[in-house]
Amino acid sequence: GQQVMQIPQYQHVQEGEDFTTYCNSSTTLSNIQWYKQRPGGHPVFLIQLVKSGEVKKQKRLTFQFGEAKKNSSLHITATQTTDVGTYFCAGLTSGTYKYIFGTGTRLKVLA
Amino acid sequence: DTEVTQTPKHLVMGMTNKKSLKCEQHMGHRAMYWYKQKAKKPPELMFVYSYEKLSINESVPSRFSPECPNSSLLNLHLHALQPEDSALYLCASSQGGRGVEKLFFGSGTQLSVL
Repeated sequence: GQQVMQIPQYQHVQEGEDFTTYCNSSTTLSNIQWYKQRPGGHPVFLIQLVKSGEVKKQKRLTFQFGEAKKNSSLHITATQTTDVGTYFCAGLTSGTYKYIFGTGTRLKVLA
Repeated sequence: DTEVTQTPKHLVMGMTNKKSLKCEQHMGHRAMYWYKQKAKKPPELMFVYSYEKLSINESVPSRFSPECPNSSLLNLHLHALQPEDSALYLCASSQGGRGVEKLFFGSGTQLSVL
């Protein structure tokens, strides 16, 4: 079945350092979403990417969808302690109407 | 109101008990979802209701029984659960049920089966 893997599994950074998580799907995706889940919390929607090669920015966060629509990345510039949490990508395969969540990357920011 | 409300927040039940999880949204969303999340794992889709009809069942054991009484409410009835069913159960909703909108998650019910 379809698998969506994320690397790294964990990342510890010093506050102010950059952070990137990568999402890779075993199948071509029609679109991809990113969610953030704070410790003890629930997933919160961040962004949706639809087009091949699409790049979107939200303040310090930059999201990219690969040309082949099988991978995506999330880059955070100058991390802050408020960025702590687990970042999940969620991929949608055309015709399935269900998102498969990636394995997640847990980010810890050291002050 | 952009919230999905889940009750109870915590639930402890024995393997012979029957209990129900409840989920409510007042955003006019027409699709509602149940996800199961084990610690340090991603959410796993269980059921999807679209326009109050069950559209996806991810081969979930029959001891989990979903119900959608109306477009705002979603229940998950639990019976004869196993300890390995202990997890965070998340409800979510989306606008149109076509699978291409963002999901709004509730805060979840942390379930422990003894």
